[in-house]
Amino acid sequence: SAVISQKPSRDICQRGTSLTIQCQVDSQVTMMFWYRQQPGQSLTLIATANQGSEATYESGFVIDKFPISRPNLTFSTLTVSNMSPEDSSIYLCSFLRGTVYNEQFFGPGTRLTVL
Amino acid sequence: GDSVTQMEGPVTLSEEAFLTINCTYTATGYPSLFWYVQYPGEGLQLLLKATKADDKGSNKGFEATYRKETTSFHLEKGSVQVSDSAVYFCALSNAQAGTALIFGKGTTLSVSS
Repeated sequence: SAVISQKPSRDICQRGTSLTIQCQVDSQVTMMFWYRQQPGQSLTLIATANQGSEATYESGFVIDKFPISRPNLTFSTLTVSNMSPEDSSIYLCSFLRGTVYNEQFFGPGTRLTVL
Repeated sequence: GDSVTQMEGPVTLSEEAFLTINCTYTATGYPSLFWYVQYPGEGLQLLLKATKADDKGSNKGFEATYRKETTSFHLEKGSVQVSDSAVYFCALSNAQAGTALIFGKGTTLSVSS
């Protein structure tokens, strides 16, 4: 089965700066997703990233704040822009395996703290 | 819209106790149902899944049965271990609504020896 990794695993950032999170899968996958898990909360989908097309954002998330790249079938990045303390969360990427049962596999997450 | 409701935690049990974490869902059509587990400091891992009514998913001693009549997917384990301490998330994926996973709020399980 494919392995998925994220970098960095954690970071502490200053308000107003930006952080780019990288997600690498060791095999080619069509659909990748980015989720946010705020402290003590469940996961919320930020966007769906398909290679070769613009990311599709969920309600409440915009491209200017969370730009996403998907340059090939094994890699994606999520940037958290102009950060504020409210952006402190765990950010997780995932990929979709199969098209029938929508089974997703998750990366280990990036724990972001904004001061 | 589609949603998942889990029992509130935390759940605190002694080792070898029986575990049940309730999960109910609301969805149109025929969703697939999943349980994910998040161990301390780690990402989510798929624990088990069921893709149609009356299916039973099982893994590592955990089981859950897809009950369409009660729209439930309760997680059970006959004898928990300290290593089972984690946060458990129930989730659904509805092909009619796209491919995103919809998660419950998560239930924290703490098992003591």
